[in-house]
Amino acid sequence: AAGVIQSPRHLIKEKRETATLKCYPIPRHDTVYWYQQGPGQDPQFLISFYEKMQSDKGSIPDRFSAQQFSDYHSELNMSSLELGDSALYFCASSPPRGGTRYFGPGTRLTVT
Amino acid sequence: AQTVTQSQPEMSVQEAETVTLSCTYDTSESDYYLFWYKQPPSRQMILVIRQEAYKQQNATENRFSVNFQKAAKSFSLKISDSQLGDAAMYFCAYTRGGADGLTFGKGTHLIIQP
Repeated sequence: AAGVIQSPRHLIKEKRETATLKCYPIPRHDTVYWYQQGPGQDPQFLISFYEKMQSDKGSIPDRFSAQQFSDYHSELNMSSLELGDSALYFCASSPPRGGTRYFGPGTRLTVT
Repeated sequence: AQTVTQSQPEMSVQEAETVTLSCTYDTSESDYYLFWYKQPPSRQMILVIRQEAYKQQNATENRFSVNFQKAAKSFSLKISDSQLGDAAMYFCAYTRGGADGLTFGKGTHLIIQP
């Protein structure tokens, strides 16, 4: 079965640089979620999109923005990167009227 | 705000034995979803089991079952016949549903002793 695809899988950036993470949901899933998981931490919800509209917002810094495109893929844009942004970033998707969130493999971002 | 509490940072069980992981949550909603996710060393988030609050019957998936006590706001996970591959971090998670985000507990690190 198709899974959530995230790219890149690993990313190394320097402080104050910009990063873009991409997420391709499971086919026919209409909702996408982004999470940040720091070392030894539980995942923290950042933002979600339903049918290309922002739906719910969590602890997403103002330096981050995201959007969902017409083909339902989503991108998380991160600017003015800080050392504390080093984390595993998960994308998840869910089907119409479905409660289960299916997670992608994550993008490991390292900020040096 | 919803909170999810996992009071056991670490649990250890002998292979083939049964172990129960605890989770409590706080919400004022009547309809919601609860999940257990497993995160092995690869750090992939793998769905173990889900429970819809309106369903009284406890969810079961093979060796995994839950004890859902809605009034007590408790959602424990029982793993029967523990296997070495069950070793992982287990997260309990809550959501109201729709496009709302998941609220996770801090996790329980499960160790399987051979």
